[in-house]
Amino acid sequence: GNSVTQMEGPVTLSEEAFLTINCTYTATGYPSLFWYVQYPGEGLQLLLKATKADDKGSNKGFEATYRKETTSFHLEKGSVQVSDSAVYFCALTNFGNEKLTFGTGTRLTIIP
Amino acid sequence: DTEVTQTPKHLVMGMTNKKSLKCEQHMGHRAMYWYKQKAKKPPELMFVYSYEKLSINESVPSRFSPECPNSSLLNLHLHALQPEDSALYLCASSQDRVGGGYTFGSGTRLTVV
Repeated sequence: GNSVTQMEGPVTLSEEAFLTINCTYTATGYPSLFWYVQYPGEGLQLLLKATKADDKGSNKGFEATYRKETTSFHLEKGSVQVSDSAVYFCALTNFGNEKLTFGTGTRLTIIP
Repeated sequence: DTEVTQTPKHLVMGMTNKKSLKCEQHMGHRAMYWYKQKAKKPPELMFVYSYEKLSINESVPSRFSPECPNSSLLNLHLHALQPEDSALYLCASSQDRVGGGYTFGSGTRLTVV
C-alpha cells in the first residue's frame, strides 16, 4: 500500500534560517505528491504539489522536487519567517485510489 | 469560488444530542470527503462521496452518518457521540482525477461533553 514518512518534529529555527523538511514515500506506479500546511486553529491548505518525476512544486518561497529515484519530496525554503510557523504535512494520492495518504506532520516554529 | 465552507466552526454537544455538520463547495468538484483530526495527528479519512454516492466508509461507527444531498453539499449527522469523538472535523473536495489535490475547509471543532 501507499505510505508517507516525514521527519519528526518539532523543528525550531531562527528567522531567516534555511528550512528542510524531509519526506519519503512508498507507492506503486506514479503517485502525485503534495505538501499541506495547517496554521494554528485552521484547516489544511495546499502549499504545493508535483504530479510527475522531476516536477518542482513551488509557492510562497517554498519548493519541493519530485525525486522518483530516491522516492522523496523534501520541502525547502531559503529564508523562513515567523509567519511560517505551522504544521506541515506531506501527502500523496495514487492512480485508482483517490485516498489522500498523509505523513505524521512536522510542527515548525520560527523564533524572531 | 475556490473555497470549502464548513459550519458551524465550533460545536459543543452532549452525549444524547443529535447535531449535524455541514459542508459546501461550488467548485464543481465531484468527490467530497469527511476527515477527523485529533490533536497533533494527521487527518484520518472517514467517508468519501464520489458523484454523490458513498464510495468509501473507513469502518466509521454508525453514530456518524454522512449524507450528500447534492453535488455541492455534504452533511455529517451526529448522534449519541462519546467524549473521545471530540476532534476537528474537516471536509474536503477534489476533482475526480489524481493529481488535482484536495481543497479543505477550515473545520468544525467538536467537543462532546
